[in-house]
Amino acid sequence: AIQLTQSPSSLSASVGDRVTITCRASQGIATALTWYQQKPGKAPRLLIYDASILESGVPSRFSGTGSGTDFTLTISSLQPEDFATYFCQQFIGSPFTFGGGTKVEIK
Amino acid sequence: QVQLQESGPGLVKPSETVSLTCTVSGDSITNNNYIWAWVRQPPGKGLEWIGTISSRGTTYYNPSLKSRVTISVDTSKNQFSLRLSSVTAADTAVHYCVGLFGAGRPRFWGQGTLVTVS
Repeated sequence: AIQLTQSPSSLSASVGDRVTITCRASQGIATALTWYQQKPGKAPRLLIYDASILESGVPSRFSGTGSGTDFTLTISSLQPEDFATYFCQQFIGSPFTFGGGTKVEIK
Repeated sequence: QVQLQESGPGLVKPSETVSLTCTVSGDSITNNNYIWAWVRQPPGKGLEWIGTISSRGTTYYNPSLKSRVTISVDTSKNQFSLRLSSVTAADTAVHYCVGLFGAGRPRFWGQGTLVTVS
């Protein structure tokens, strides 16, 4: 199975900060990577698919880059509603696996 | 806007089979633009992909669960279902039904339903 390693596992940041989360795949996955946001007690919310395509309705402060094995999710200016856990997922290898998550907390 | 709603028993005994249903509203489950899926999340832990079914009934299962999982579609009720057999405490999780708008785009999620094996 393809393993996805997210880093950091948690971070503390302030409103207005630029935040970058990375996701590294154990083997190449082209651009078959998705990013989600999850808040406590809620279902994940799709942010980015195909590594860099912003899902409809998602604020433009979210962006995704990468291909092959290295990917990043960037929040250009952190907002109060962005404090949550973020997951990556790959859609090319069986089974479709998720990263372990990055918890973004208020500094 | 597509909406998904899970239903099923909250508590199941070890070794039994649990059945969950996802009711789809806002579009037809037979729309070829969608792939339907189940994902689970043990309390306080990460996400696990269980499997998918296409509008034509083609299934894909996580190999780690394949021997115990069945996903099916009931087009007359606009529903799809998950059956997981021989459950153990390790199967305790919030189970989400998901609608993918094309491969790799899990756009629509149900609110999730907690299945506790005890």
